[in-house]
Amino acid sequence: DAGVIQSPRHEVTEMGQEVTLRCKPISGHDYLFWYRQTMMRGLELLIYFNNNVPIDDSGMPEDRFSAKMPNASFSTLKIQPSEPRDSAVYFCASSLKELPGGELFFGEGSRLTVL
Amino acid sequence: ILNVEQSPQSLHVQEGDSTNFTCSFPSSNFYALHWYRWETAKSPEALFVMTLNGDEKKKGRISATLNTKEGYSYLYIKGSQPEDSATYLCASYSGNTGKLIFGQGTTLQVKP
Repeated sequence: DAGVIQSPRHEVTEMGQEVTLRCKPISGHDYLFWYRQTMMRGLELLIYFNNNVPIDDSGMPEDRFSAKMPNASFSTLKIQPSEPRDSAVYFCASSLKELPGGELFFGEGSRLTVL
Repeated sequence: ILNVEQSPQSLHVQEGDSTNFTCSFPSSNFYALHWYRWETAKSPEALFVMTLNGDEKKKGRISATLNTKEGYSYLYIKGSQPEDSATYLCASYSGNTGKLIFGQGTTLQVKP
């Protein structure tokens, strides 16, 4: 079975450019999470969706970040305009069951470098 | 404890050694504790999800215990092998935050 699929795996862009990260969750998983991994702060939850509806976006750093889930098999995380401090690994994860009991299945991450 | 804290930050052991590390989390309004194993260049994979005080779970040579009253969990690896080298993350879900909060991880290196 395919796991969580993220693209691109690596993205290098210049400050001010728009960045779009994509995620395909595991089929049948109703919960989708976007996390950001940095050395300083570890894994931080940005936003999560239940049945394509954003439930908690309190972790989204600022208005430059937005996330959408137009259908059950696709989500995007967009940064516009990007800044060097956005450089991080962005993980998408999906879950069959609701937290707290549902384990997360992570994608391989999208490593973003903003110059 | 307001955050999820893991110790030690890193650990180097010889093949065959048994090892353990700690995850400390807020004990108030506790719901669940997750352990994940994260190998370099791969994605984190779930090891255990634990909810009950005194719970003990085992998967092969890896086991974990949970104390929700004092807010800690131990992960044990018996007879470490080089393939156990990874970062081990714990994450706590509390009703106070409604989120799964991750610790910074313990990075284990097992030398052959």
